[in-house]
Amino acid sequence: KAGVTQTPRYLIKTRGQQVTLSCSPISGHRSVSWYQQTPGQGLQFLFEYFSETQRNKGNFPGRFSGRQFSNSRSEMNVSTLELGDSALYLCASRTGTGGLQETQYFGPGTRLLVL
Amino acid sequence: TQLLEQSPQFLSIQEGENLTVYCNSSSVFSSLQWYRQEPGEGPVLLVTVVTGGEVKKLKRLTFQFGDARKDSSLHITAAQPGDTGLYLCAGRDDSWGKLQFGAGTQVVVTP
Repeated sequence: KAGVTQTPRYLIKTRGQQVTLSCSPISGHRSVSWYQQTPGQGLQFLFEYFSETQRNKGNFPGRFSGRQFSNSRSEMNVSTLELGDSALYLCASRTGTGGLQETQYFGPGTRLLVL
Repeated sequence: TQLLEQSPQFLSIQEGENLTVYCNSSSVFSSLQWYRQEPGEGPVLLVTVVTGGEVKKLKRLTFQFGDARKDSSLHITAAQPGDTGLYLCAGRDDSWGKLQFGAGTQVVVTP
């Protein structure tokens, strides 16, 4: 089974631009979660989608948005980029129905640098 | 907001030594997970604990969930250079809830 894939792996943008990141979950997984990882704040939860619906949301401004398609692939969008948005953005997938013992699989991440 | 505090932040030891990483919270979690992350990769799940007082062993790694389900520890026996990585604990308050991560403990094992 192929793992979680994220594209692109690296991205450089300038302040004020917007960016779209993509995540393809493991086949059969209907839940996709997004996280932001920075040296100062660690891994912070952005949002989770399950069957095209946002199921959970973290404490991030409205500039951060996401969506999930019928094939479970997910995209995350950040508008009006700020320097502080520079981070590793991680996507993780799970079936979404397995309960507390369910394994969540992470992709390798997209490293975003905002100049 | 439930916060998970990990200690220590950084640990550097020699091969063959033992180490323990702690994960504490003032809140109760339904489940707690431990991950290891290596440079350039996403975190990889090591274990999930759900029952208060539960102890799980994975080769040289021993994981314990506190009786009150507010804290956990990871103990590595006879550490090897391959154990080097960022160890993260993460808690979930229910099956559908968001996963909240601690800040992580960077472990370096030198030969």
